[in-house]
Amino acid sequence: GIQVEQSPPDLILQEGANSTLRCNFSDSVNNLQWFHQNPWGQLINLFYIPSGTKQNGRLSATTVATERYSLLYISSSQTTDSGVYFCAVEGWDSNYQLIWGAGTKLIIKP
Amino acid sequence: EPEVTQTPSHQVTQMGQEVILRCVPISNHLYFYWYRQILGQKVEFLVSFYNNEISEKSEIFDDQFSVERPDGSNFTLKIRSTKLEDSAMYFCASSPIMNTEAFFGQGTRLTVV
Repeated sequence: GIQVEQSPPDLILQEGANSTLRCNFSDSVNNLQWFHQNPWGQLINLFYIPSGTKQNGRLSATTVATERYSLLYISSSQTTDSGVYFCAVEGWDSNYQLIWGAGTKLIIKP
Repeated sequence: EPEVTQTPSHQVTQMGQEVILRCVPISNHLYFYWYRQILGQKVEFLVSFYNNEISEKSEIFDDQFSVERPDGSNFTLKIRSTKLEDSAMYFCASSPIMNTEAFFGQGTRLTVV
């Protein structure tokens, strides 16, 4: 089945810094989503981005499907950005289910 | 903005007891899912549901688990006889059609003692 790898596993930054989170996947996908899991465990949809580039405020994401990776950019980090960021993909042979990466744990220090 | 809602947010149950986790998917969505996340681990797929039947299930989804859409709005996950290792965060999700964005609920934290 499809494999999803996220890097880095942990990231500690000062407030105001920018960051780039990476998601590599091992096969073609027809769905890719980025999520933020807050300290209370809730999952928040960030982007649905099987290809191309999207922006939402300080966050943006790019997926290069032909090279099998996606990047999540966070600019001007705030303490509320802390949490775990997950990438999840749906491969062409994994209908109906998202396969999740292990996440990047982001800590923003004031 | 429409959202997936899950109840309860936290449930504590004794080992061997039955639990039912409830979800209200987004109203015009057709595909429904349950995922779980054991503390500190990856999110794992449990089951997908479409047209009143299971579309796909993982190895985790054994005979102890069942899903049901008892009416036009609710989608439930039942665990018949809970085990300590069932302690996890359970997420419900829905999507309008296959292979599109899935929208997740806030989760139910199940603690089996």
